[in-house]
Amino acid sequence: DTAVSQTPKYLVTQMGNDKSIKCEQNLGHDTMYWYKQDSKKFLKIMFSYNNKELIINETVPNRFSPKSPDKAHLNLHINSLELGDSAVYFCASSLYGENTEAFFGQGTRLTVV
Amino acid sequence: GEDVEQSLFLSVREGDSSVINCTYTDSSSTYLYWYKQEPGAGLQLLTYIFSNMDMKQDQRLTVLLNKKDKHLSLRIADTQTGDSAIYFCAESISGTYKYIFGTGTRLKVLA
Repeated sequence: DTAVSQTPKYLVTQMGNDKSIKCEQNLGHDTMYWYKQDSKKFLKIMFSYNNKELIINETVPNRFSPKSPDKAHLNLHINSLELGDSAVYFCASSLYGENTEAFFGQGTRLTVV
Repeated sequence: GEDVEQSLFLSVREGDSSVINCTYTDSSSTYLYWYKQEPGAGLQLLTYIFSNMDMKQDQRLTVLLNKKDKHLSLRIADTQTGDSAIYFCAESISGTYKYIFGTGTRLKVLA
């Protein structure tokens, strides 16, 4: 199936741990994103990559490091997890350019305990 | 600045029309979108409108754009219980590849 897929869907981990969330798209898109949705459902962009190059880096702590090994993948690594990192993280992809609607993954619910 | 606002809740009766409103601040936005998020799911694109249009209709959905007032609305005709979800408006900012999302409106459809 063509889609944006994220793994894992749920992640529960202790404070201080390091974890990664993976995202893959097979839509042929060249731009990928990470969004964070907090408990109040607010969606904020974190990062965007176009052709493996970082093009958007909002004010995100440097404990968050995105990595794009190729156009179809954008992984998010988080070091030294904190309670406030608990949220749902959405990956998305689109074609480069305007009116390129973004397609979203199903989200990864991260709970830091 | 980039800011998109929506009312947080809307409750309607099944069969009625729903109107979800959105205001945005960035006048350089080129496209505006409506996304639907069902419980535990990702965001599904419902429809979009180019900033030089003022209306777009797609089956039960009607999007109205008032560019002067920076106001966007989504009308759902004959609202069904399956329409219960959170609806996000979003704008893409010209010259960037950033989508700014609204705060989301939780639509509850009463049977």
